[in-house]
Amino acid sequence: DVKVTQSSRYLVKRTGEKVFLECVQDMDHENMFWYRQDPGLGLRLIYFSYDVKMKEKGDIPEGYSVSREKKERFSLILESASTNQTSMYLCASSLVNMGYNQPQHFGDGTRLSIL
Amino acid sequence: SQQGEEDPQALSIQEGENATMNCSYKTSINNLQWYRQNSGRGLVHLILIRSNEREKHSGRLRVTLDTSKKSSSLLITASRAADTASYFCATGGGTSYGKLTFGQGTILTVHP
Repeated sequence: DVKVTQSSRYLVKRTGEKVFLECVQDMDHENMFWYRQDPGLGLRLIYFSYDVKMKEKGDIPEGYSVSREKKERFSLILESASTNQTSMYLCASSLVNMGYNQPQHFGDGTRLSIL
Repeated sequence: SQQGEEDPQALSIQEGENATMNCSYKTSINNLQWYRQNSGRGLVHLILIRSNEREKHSGRLRVTLDTSKKSSSLLITASRAADTASYFCATGGGTSYGKLTFGQGTILTVHP
């Protein structure tokens, strides 16, 4: 089974801090994704990556950046955390498309609180 | 932007009953997927249906897709208390490096 591991289940940080969320997958997937999930808003895509060092903006990239130095690891960075970034963050990975989107495999999420 | 919209937003049923959730979307798609999320956990992929398919089954799950109406439905038969979760549809264009657009989900509660 594919395993996507997020480094923390719960995290509390202060406004203005630089925050790193880490995600590691063990199935050699090309694609990796970062989402945030808020009540009533569903999942919104922040950034995704289709290869090492490659990244693309999702729907809500403002205030975030990402890093993918190795195929298995995709990091989400909050450059200067703000209270409106308090949310559940979900990482996912998938194989490259083969004519249609491959299923995404999710980690258990990081519940981030910014005080 | 949200592509899929699930209906109803919440559904409460008794064990043994069937649960039907609907998903509508706006633009043309290559495939549509359904996911389940237990409280406080990540999403788990349930089933994928391609745009040239009309119906698909997996165990107690039945998914239909009507591309002319831009809608899909997920039927869970003989529901169990363990089916209590949120269910999301997600649409994919088949390109864009595997990017999916998720709906806001249906919260299903199955009472023992």
